[in-house]
Amino acid sequence: ETGVTQSPTHLIKTRGQQVTLRCSSQSGHNTVSWYQQALGQGPQFIFQYYREEENGRGNFPPRFSGLQFPNYSSELNVNALELDDSALYLCASSLARALTSGSPDTQYFGPGTRLTVL
Amino acid sequence: TQLLEQSPQFLSIQEGENLTVYCNSSSVFSSLQWYRQEPGEGPVLLVTVVTGGEVKKLKRLTFQFGDARKDSSLHITAAQPGDTGLYLCAGVVFSGGYNKLIFGAGTRLAVHP
Repeated sequence: ETGVTQSPTHLIKTRGQQVTLRCSSQSGHNTVSWYQQALGQGPQFIFQYYREEENGRGNFPPRFSGLQFPNYSSELNVNALELDDSALYLCASSLARALTSGSPDTQYFGPGTRLTVL
Repeated sequence: TQLLEQSPQFLSIQEGENLTVYCNSSSVFSSLQWYRQEPGEGPVLLVTVVTGGEVKKLKRLTFQFGDARKDSSLHITAAQPGDTGLYLCAGVVFSGGYNKLIFGAGTRLAVHP
């Protein structure tokens, strides 16, 4: 039990639609990262939010966007869904103590949202 | 592009056997983490190795970070059915003021009683 929750658990959408996934971080965590995990693959970094601002992004198009709120919740929005967007979407929260440090902060992952695009 | 390759992809063994999982890259990482993921759950951090050549033990699990900080291994002694799961290595990259995890594709381990 990491204290990180995600909703919904499962979601089915059709191509071209838009989707919003939600994450509730551990209390006090100032950083949330989102990952996409395709079937049989490891998680791929989408982006990271620190104190409500995006401070890092992986190799994902602009139709993937996010928000982080002061109440430790965050959202991942995906527009114009494509079939390849079908995956498990994971959020991970952490407490970043020093952005100038290379020491990794422990990321606590939620159980994920399984998105199926038909 | 930084990539982490894990081997083997799948491993099916009997209870009591030993096994080693490898994680290799041509890139240098500031540190490396190992996670275990079970069906329907997110990855759970097992260990972080930071120094080249570092060895960490967690009960029957031994983690090693290569001297050049490009590779790592996970050795499990006397595997038990409870060890079954997906083992993921993740290289930590510090760039642009934030830490990013680069995951391998994982090793799916099945331990049979």
